[in-house]
Order: sequence, then structure tokens, then C-alpha cells
Amino acid sequence: KQEVTQIPAALSVPEGENLVLNCSFTDSAIYNLQWFRQDPGKGLTSLLLIQSSQREQTSGRLNASLDKSSGRSTLYIAASQPGDSATYLCAVSFNAGGTSYGKLTFGQGTILTVHP
Amino acid sequence: DADVTQTPRNRITKTGKRIMLECSQTKGHDRMYWYRQDPGLGLQLIYYSFDVKDINKGEISDGYSVSRQAQAKFSLSLESAIPNQTALYFCATSDPGLAGGDTGELFFGEGSRLTVL
Repeated sequence: KQEVTQIPAALSVPEGENLVLNCSFTDSAIYNLQWFRQDPGKGLTSLLLIQSSQREQTSGRLNASLDKSSGRSTLYIAASQPGDSATYLCAVSFNAGGTSYGKLTFGQGTILTVHP
Repeated sequence: DADVTQTPRNRITKTGKRIMLECSQTKGHDRMYWYRQDPGLGLQLIYYSFDVKDINKGEISDGYSVSRQAQAKFSLSLESAIPNQTALYFCATSDPGLAGGDTGELFFGEGSRLTVL
């Protein structure tokens, strides 16, 4: 069974720290990996999308890496701010014969709290 | 206005009632999805549609049905709601990408919170 696991389940850091969220997946045959942010009671906001041919993507203070061979992705947040507090979800589109686009398998998420 | 709109945003109903959750999108995407989120869990795929005539079951389709009324509209129905269908439901669309390829990037609605008593 194709699974996605996120570690840690929760993380609390002081403002200004750099931090890393981890995501692992069981099958290296993927189309892409997507990181989302979810605020309480809200929908999901796409942060970064990494295609299977890419090694990393950057957006502002966020950097996501992808290592297919080891089945891992990391989301690096630089200079964290209280406004970064949210749940971060990793989702993988696994390769299943050409019909996997958009069929994402999600991890359980990491709840991030950045305190002033 | 949101690109992916879900209605209702909140609904409380009783066991055995029929419920419909609606989704409409202005992104022009062919591919639409319904996901369910339970507390402490990730999202699970219920149904997905790659175009108006192509509808497929996801991981947890039992107890649900869908209708793709048009490219822009995708509805999820619970024919006879039960308490363990209490959850947050998300509709999503998929980016068609360039040159006909699909980047696979998903865009989500704000969610519909359903409570079945």
C-alpha cells in the first residue's frame, strides 16, 4: 500500500527559528509531491509543487526538496513567524499507469506553532 | 470570488437523511475531486472525475455517489447519512498544465463541514 508519513506530528518553535518538516513515502515511482498549508477550519493552500524530475522548489522563505530514491521530502521554513502557524500537509501523486494525476495520497500533517 | 466554491459550508443533519454537497469552479479545469478529512488524519479520496463522462471511485467511495453536471460542477451525495460520515469535505480541481500535460497541482475549495447526528 502506498503511504505518506509526516514527522513530527506537532512542532512548537520560537519566532525567528529555521525549521524543517519531514515527509516520507513508500514508493519512489511518483508524478509529483505537493506541500499544502491548512489553517484551522479552512481549506488547503498549495505552497509548493515538485515534479518527479525536480529536486527542489523555492517560494519566498519556503524551500522544498525531493529525494525519490530515499522516498523523502523536506519543507524548510526560514526565519519562522507567528503567521506561519498552521498545519502543513504533504501529498504525493503516485505513478499508477498514467491515471494518477491529481489523485493525491496525504500524510497526516504537522501542526506548527510559532510563538512570539 | 473563490475559484473553487463549495456549498453549503456547514450542515447539520440527522441519520438517514439524503445530503448533497455542491462544488463549482471557475478555473476551467477538466479534473475534479472530492476528498474527506477526519480529525487527526490526512485527506482521503472519495471520487474523482477527469471529465464530464469519466467518473471514478476513490479510496472510500462506499456510502457516497457523485454527479458531474458540467465541466464546472461536481456534486457529492450521501444517500442515507450516518454519523461516521461526519467530517470536513473538500472539493478540488487539477491544473491542466502546459501542452496538454497535467502538472497535477490541486486547488481546493474552503470545505464543507458536515455533522450527522
